[in-house]
Amino acid sequence: AQSVSQHNHHVILSEAASLELGCNYSYGGTVNLFWYVQYPGQHLQLLLKYFSGDPLVKGIKGFEAEFIKSKFSFNLRKPSVQWSDTAEYFCAVIFYNQGGKLIFGQGTELSVKP
Amino acid sequence: GAVVSQHPSRVICKSGTSVKIECRSLDFQATTMFWYRQFPKQSLMLMATSNEGSKATYEQGVEKDKFLINHASLTLSTLTVTSAHPEDSSFYICSARAHSGTYEQYFGPGTRLTVT
Repeated sequence: AQSVSQHNHHVILSEAASLELGCNYSYGGTVNLFWYVQYPGQHLQLLLKYFSGDPLVKGIKGFEAEFIKSKFSFNLRKPSVQWSDTAEYFCAVIFYNQGGKLIFGQGTELSVKP
Repeated sequence: GAVVSQHPSRVICKSGTSVKIECRSLDFQATTMFWYRQFPKQSLMLMATSNEGSKATYEQGVEKDKFLINHASLTLSTLTVTSAHPEDSSFYICSARAHSGTYEQYFGPGTRLTVT
């Protein structure tokens, strides 16, 4: 079965630090890639998505992600985090060879110290 | 566009009772809807996939008789947790896929179920 792996379980940063969260997926042919954010006590929100085209994708709130097909990776980045970015971040992948099933990574908890 | 709602947002029920959760696509028709479960501090786990007018497909390890899914129309799917027990307490999230060329899913806000 296809899988999605997020390398960091918990990341702690100070405000203004740069952020990079790793996401890798198992090989599966055509994929669509997503990053979601879940603020404490709130529901899932879409940060950004990649379907095709420019592998550098810009999302909301200053986030971006780069799809590197050769590495099966879709890492999330932000140049300067804020305290309000404290949340759980999920990478998710649609594998076309699994009928479009969306598979989530384990999630990364980001804590930003003010 | 692409708004998905869930009702109720929170529900508390007694052990042994059944609870129904509704998932609606408000501004699009959803041929396929998905039900996920999320435990605290954990990721979303797909429970089942439902297609309008047909039986749901359950993921391995999910009890079909306990989690009844109905997708009676292109805008509504329901999840009924039957004979609920405290271990069923969780955050249940639905998503819907529009009848379009992509597989993108749109997520509802979730329903927090507490079984006492």
